[in-house]
Amino acid sequence: GAGVSQSPSNKVTEKGKDVELRCDPISGHTALYWYRQSLGQGLEFLIYFQGNSAPDKSGLPSDRFSAERTGGSVSTLTIQRTQQEDSAVYLCASSPGAGNEQFFGPGTRLTVL
Amino acid sequence: DQQVKQNSPSLSVQEGRISILNCDYTNSMFDYFLWYKKYPAEGPTFLISISSIKDKNEDGRFTVFLNKSAKHLSLHIVPSQPGDSAVYFCAAGGGTSYGKLTFGQGTILTVHP
Repeated sequence: GAGVSQSPSNKVTEKGKDVELRCDPISGHTALYWYRQSLGQGLEFLIYFQGNSAPDKSGLPSDRFSAERTGGSVSTLTIQRTQQEDSAVYLCASSPGAGNEQFFGPGTRLTVL
Repeated sequence: DQQVKQNSPSLSVQEGRISILNCDYTNSMFDYFLWYKKYPAEGPTFLISISSIKDKNEDGRFTVFLNKSAKHLSLHIVPSQPGDSAVYFCAAGGGTSYGKLTFGQGTILTVHP
């Protein structure tokens, strides 16, 4: 079956522009997560959606970051007024439920010039 | 505050020998732990997990050991193969942040033929 997909695979943008990153989770998975990996660092949790519950936004680094999940499936991570420190690989994962292993997409490499 | 730490940034092992990757954590509320493997330009892939009620879990060449009193876990790969060369991340979940995972910084494993 299809795994987690993300688009675009690469995004280069200018400082101050807004970007949208998309994630298509595995069909039927109720939990969806966003992480980011900066150069030489581990994965940093950003936000977590579980079913119809309010998302856990505790990892979002600033109010420039937001995410939504429509219809319990596709998710979009939006970064407004991008800064150079936002440059990283943004990874999406999904799982059948909370506490299960998470399946990751290939990531979107964001470069802010 | 780094709650999950992998203190060895890299490890080099000869093919056929044992690879031992280590991970330490500080949050005693974590109740499940996972190891992920990551190749360049790909998302992490799940390897093996362990619940806090166990001290060992084995899957083929991979064994994870958990020492709760020391807040330490390790991944043993035996025998190591060149295809095992990748970045290995340990991750922890549970407690008040159930669902989301906290990752270590990763260890680059190189297995030489």
